[in-house]
Amino acid sequence: EVQLVESGGGLVQPGGSLRLSCAASGFTFSSYEMSWVRLAPGKGLEWLSYITTSSTTIYYADSVKGRFTSSRDNAKNSLFLQMNSLRADDTAVYYCARGPYSGILAYFDSWGQGTLVTVSS
Amino acid sequence: DIQMTQSPSSLSASVGDRVTITCRASQDIGNSLAWYQQKPGKAPKLLLYATSTLESGVPSRFSGSGSGTDYSLTISSLQPEDFATYYCQQYRSTPPATFGQGTKVDVK
Repeated sequence: EVQLVESGGGLVQPGGSLRLSCAASGFTFSSYEMSWVRLAPGKGLEWLSYITTSSTTIYYADSVKGRFTSSRDNAKNSLFLQMNSLRADDTAVYYCARGPYSGILAYFDSWGQGTLVTVSS
Repeated sequence: DIQMTQSPSSLSASVGDRVTITCRASQDIGNSLAWYQQKPGKAPKLLLYATSTLESGVPSRFSGSGSGTDYSLTISSLQPEDFATYYCQQYRSTPPATFGQGTKVDVK
């Protein structure tokens, strides 16, 4: 069974940093491209970042470009999101999601349960 | 970037009702459209991709159609477990992958 488990969320002050992790199991993690997506209160889903299997290509949404950094460790079946310069409007539940195709950012066939990030003083 | 507009933003329905949600793209997305269901506090769940292909394990009462810029999700007979928020997402032109704003289906 495919499992994605996010961790690392919490309360952080504006301007602060957090590092989210996503632990994958039940599939060959190194063969799948991964993304981060968030759901802010009262808003819809927002795609944030995409990383290819070997980390050679990484895309970011304009809203997080320059502040967030995606990475992965295939040996540890883990995906990461380093979030810096956090703002109040970054408050959201953050999900890691699996992409079914190699080489393109398409749809997402498996999702984690999410981790809540709250940015507030 | 391609913008996705869903309608309605919310609807009230009863068990057994036929429910249709529409999604309009700001340009032709060539059937590269997925639909997700999300319940409060839960992960989004993929329902359909490529406009009309049902994800494994998804009940056949869910169906999708459309072409060009206009797409729809239909639930043929709403079940109690279908009360949720539904999102469309285009993947014709990425990045970014863009979602509609969501349609909340609640009890009439």
